[in-house]
Amino acid sequence: DSGVTQTPKHLITATGQRVTLRCSPRSGDLSVYWYQQSLDQGLQFLIQYYNGEERAKGNILERFSAQQFPDLHSELNLSSLELGDSALYFCASSVSSGGDNEQFFGPGTRLTVL
Amino acid sequence: GENVEQHPSTLSVQEGDSAVIKCTYSDSASNYFPWYKQELGKGPQLIIDIRSNVGEKKDQRIAVTLNKTAKHFSLHITETQPEDSAVYFCAALANDYKLSFGAGTTVTVRA
Repeated sequence: DSGVTQTPKHLITATGQRVTLRCSPRSGDLSVYWYQQSLDQGLQFLIQYYNGEERAKGNILERFSAQQFPDLHSELNLSSLELGDSALYFCASSVSSGGDNEQFFGPGTRLTVL
Repeated sequence: GENVEQHPSTLSVQEGDSAVIKCTYSDSASNYFPWYKQELGKGPQLIIDIRSNVGEKKDQRIAVTLNKTAKHFSLHITETQPEDSAVYFCAALANDYKLSFGAGTTVTVRA
């Protein structure tokens, strides 16, 4: 158990809908990262927050947004969902902002868009 | 941005034999190279990492080597055991704080 929690574990929804994925980092970790894992694209970095502020951005679609709250939990919002958004979404956390700190991954949320 | 290539995509080894996974990266500014192991139904877990000022690092049965000139790094697992069966990912971190991952290698250890 990495100490990172993600909810829900599974999510099934329809095209055009909006969903919110939630992540609670390990106790004491200030950075939260979001990744998308799909069969054809592999593990892709989406976005990083550090202590409530956006720190780095990857290939995140404009339909996706994220935020980190004062209690350090983070949410990833996916809107206008398309079939191609079906994937595993992982949250990871680390102590500080530099990407060279060990990142601890949560168990993931499996999103299925029908 | 950084581009990481990983080979092979699948690897089957006899228990007790060694396994080697190789990765290349494109950005010469990359300075941190972690390796992650992902078991079925779980998130990736860091197993070892190496920084650009070091050529080799070992942790029990796992070792990683880095060749900055050639821009490649490798994971070596010796005396493989059934519990080593998993998907392994290499990654590289450039100056933009973003980890770029390889496509993964599915390792199967045959008993």
